Amino acid sequence: SQQGEEDPQALSIQEGENATMNCSYKTSINNLQWYRQNSGRGLVHLILIRSNEREKHSGRLRVTLDTSKKSSSLLITASRAADTASYFCATVPSSSGSARQLTFGSGTQLTVLP
Amino acid sequence: DAGVTQSPTHLIKTRGQQVTLRCSPISGHKSVSWYQQVLGQGPQFIFQYYEKEERGRGNFPDRFSARQFPNYSSELNVNALLLGDSALYLCASSRRRGLAGGLNEQFFGPGTRLTVL
Repeated sequence: SQQGEEDPQALSIQEGENATMNCSYKTSINNLQWYRQNSGRGLVHLILIRSNEREKHSGRLRVTLDTSKKSSSLLITASRAADTASYFCATVPSSSGSARQLTFGSGTQLTVLP
Repeated sequence: DAGVTQSPTHLIKTRGQQVTLRCSPISGHKSVSWYQQVLGQGPQFIFQYYEKEERGRGNFPDRFSARQFPNYSSELNVNALLLGDSALYLCASSRRRGLAGGLNEQFFGPGTRLTVL
């Protein structure tokens, strides 16, 4: 079963606009990661945020984490057509026995129109 | 450096058949994990192997099995295929067994697209 849900399921924006995707999860986590997937191919790791962090930046990406609400958001600024892809959040649980697998959300399909 | 490689890229099988998927991790990575991704959903964890031993198993039936070889490559076997096994099968490698702490990122291969008719 999926750990959580991404919101929205699909997002369509114009090039240059910002894109925000949200992720909710259910259990206590050690860290949360965001991945990108082009056309049903392999996943590319974008950014990792630990449970004791609230915000992290990487280039045009900004990730926030609210452990009290069990939610995270991914902001892509100044989007480009090449950002068109599916974006997934994935969590690593805080219980050590389970900290060997990623639990993925259902993904957001982002389309950036030129 | 080469990334995670998987073979074959695509595979078509019929119900009841058996399939073997292969994965080669990044050099120096000792952990290999397998995920199943059904169309329109996120990947779901199947197995993790570390140092040739199974270290984790997801909620999949016994028809799914895997093994890891001394060179850390891995095979995923699925017996008695069902239509519902049609999916993208992803392999991921990482240096260590655990994903908590540090920057023990998992690197994913391009996947094997399995179609069961």
